[in-house]
Amino acid sequence: DAGITQSPRHKVTETGTPVTLRCHQTENHRYMYWYRQDPGHGLRLIHYSYGVKDTDKGEVSDGYSVSRSKTEDFLLTLESATSSQTSVYFCAISEVRLDYYEQYFGPGTRLTVT
Amino acid sequence: DAKTTQPNSMESNEEEPVHLPCNHSTISGTDYIHWYRQLPSQGPEYVIHGLTSNVNNRMASLAIAEDRKSSTLILHRATLRDAAVYYCIPVRGGGGADGLTFGKGTHLIIQP
Repeated sequence: DAGITQSPRHKVTETGTPVTLRCHQTENHRYMYWYRQDPGHGLRLIHYSYGVKDTDKGEVSDGYSVSRSKTEDFLLTLESATSSQTSVYFCAISEVRLDYYEQYFGPGTRLTVT
Repeated sequence: DAKTTQPNSMESNEEEPVHLPCNHSTISGTDYIHWYRQLPSQGPEYVIHGLTSNVNNRMASLAIAEDRKSSTLILHRATLRDAAVYYCIPVRGGGGADGLTFGKGTHLIIQP
């Protein structure tokens, strides 16, 4: 499982409140990602990181910010949660091989915004 | 980015082979073809990948068309644990670690 944990695993919050999701990895991987998955859809990339303090936006980054102050932790923050951000959030790392890479995913965080 | 087309769903019987097709006619010459699957209530997991040649690993086989416009993931003997959504994803070769672009995948149903 590449040593990936996510916390919390479930959260219910109210519209307008800030929310931070944490992804923790234990194997010193350089690349980390946040995806969201909505019913009937595949995963969509929110933000990713290619090193400490190096992050970039993905396909659906509006309303989200990220931080990576340590190699092992990648935080996803919803500054003011909205109902459209109700989703399952997956963190992932890349294990880079010689000419390709494999991604390993965490167990997911189910977020409900009421 | 290369587009992929997969059947929405497929059904098979336990202990029979399953062939999951993927069309990726716009794939570039340096893109690898990766397959991931997502078991119920879990994150996706890597299954297999290839560039031009057919590939085998402990989970599955990947057959790539000679023109690289399509590929087929083969589960040789499906079990109930193989029931999942299977995603075919072109991945840029040459290093780096881009995010993956998931389509809707194929929902594989295994009947006992």
